[in-house]
Amino acid sequence: DGGITQSPKYLFRKEGQNVTLSCEQNLNHDAMYWYRQDPGQGLRLIYYSQIVNDFQKGDIAEGYSVSREKKESFPLTVTSAQKNPTAFYLCASSTGTGRLSPYGYTFGSGTRLTVV
Amino acid sequence: AQTVTQSQPEMSVQEAETVTLSCTYDTSENNYYLFWYKQPPSRQMILVIRQEAYKQQNATENRFSVNFQKAAKSFSLKISDSQLGDTAMYFCAFMTQGAQKLVFGQGTRLTINP
Repeated sequence: DGGITQSPKYLFRKEGQNVTLSCEQNLNHDAMYWYRQDPGQGLRLIYYSQIVNDFQKGDIAEGYSVSREKKESFPLTVTSAQKNPTAFYLCASSTGTGRLSPYGYTFGSGTRLTVV
Repeated sequence: AQTVTQSQPEMSVQEAETVTLSCTYDTSENNYYLFWYKQPPSRQMILVIRQEAYKQQNATENRFSVNFQKAAKSFSLKISDSQLGDTAMYFCAFMTQGAQKLVFGQGTRLTINP
């Protein structure tokens, strides 16, 4: 079955450490996205990529970095520069590349990151 | 700027009642899709219903229906015969041809009481 896999489900980070959240899709989607969700809040866009080897900053990119070396993979690194990284992180994908996706996004199941 | 406003942060109804969640949006584009997503306590985002902006007919999916008013830029969700499993956070969102990414509202926390 096609879908998006995020791992790990729970992640703990010490102060000053970088951590990488994995996102893999087998839907042959061109576009991938990372969102951050804080308790009781909406989704805020961190980074997105509409094609391999290209990505754009979203609304809250500071303290985060991404890569898009393969169509299937869009890992997110939370760096030590991100002062308040504790949150729920959602990865998503869509058909992208100029085509309006009638089904919006397909979402992963999320990663809960906690700073300890 | 493209924005989505959900004016009801929280709502609560009794099981079997009908409830309507409000959503307004702002875009200057003419070609877009509108969506309602549900996020239950598991936090998995689930597509509830979608509407194509060029279609005047309101979308329906079983107990879920929308009232789409394009001129007013309004896209409300009606849940009929509400069930305990409908308890969740509901997000309104839209995607335009130009932006190619979903713009989300802040969400409405809906509680269905037994």
